[in-house]
Amino acid sequence: DAGVIQSPRHEVTEMGQEVTLRCKPISGHDYLFWYRQTMMRGLELLIYFNNNVPIDDSGMPEDRFSAKMPNASFSTLKIQPSEPRDSAVYFCASSLGGQGAKNIQYFGAGTRLSVL
Amino acid sequence: SQQGEEDPQALSIQEGENATMNCSYKTSINNLQWYRQNSGRGLVHLILIRSNEREKHSGRLRVTLDTSKKSSSLLITASRAADTASYFCATPERSGNTGKLIFGQGTTLQVKP
Repeated sequence: DAGVIQSPRHEVTEMGQEVTLRCKPISGHDYLFWYRQTMMRGLELLIYFNNNVPIDDSGMPEDRFSAKMPNASFSTLKIQPSEPRDSAVYFCASSLGGQGAKNIQYFGAGTRLSVL
Repeated sequence: SQQGEEDPQALSIQEGENATMNCSYKTSINNLQWYRQNSGRGLVHLILIRSNEREKHSGRLRVTLDTSKKSSSLLITASRAADTASYFCATPERSGNTGKLIFGQGTTLQVKP
């Protein structure tokens, strides 16, 4: 398997624009996670899905953020409208879920977002 | 909620020396994981230790777990410049099966050649 694939790797946009980040999890993984990482706040869990259903979105900062998982092989994280404080690296991760080694998470390479 | 807290926040050593990082957590767990993050990359899983294990080895890595103290340590022996990275511990949200991990703030390790 190619691992978790995220696109784009880098995104530069202007404040107020819509941004869409994409993720393809590892085939067969039932859990998908979206994280945000900044120097100030570290690694934050935004939302996660189990079998394409959002389980916990308590980490989503505000209504400007939304995430979908229309099928088992694709998820999007959308920010509309974007603001400079959204600048961060966004990671997608997936796992089998379950006990022990099944909850090891596999991370994508991340999307570095800069909002000007 | 439980959270892995690591110390030190930053560590700088010379190549060849050993590096030790510590992690503390708050509630009962059934396993604890360590991840590495190289600059500009995603996290990569290193090792998982179960609650009934006290010590585990993988190459130059040695992980210990003390459930009575709710703490774990990661030892990297004979460090190399390529070990320069951030290291995170992670624990399941709770003993159940939610899939969610709670990550610590990480220890940034610099290994000088």
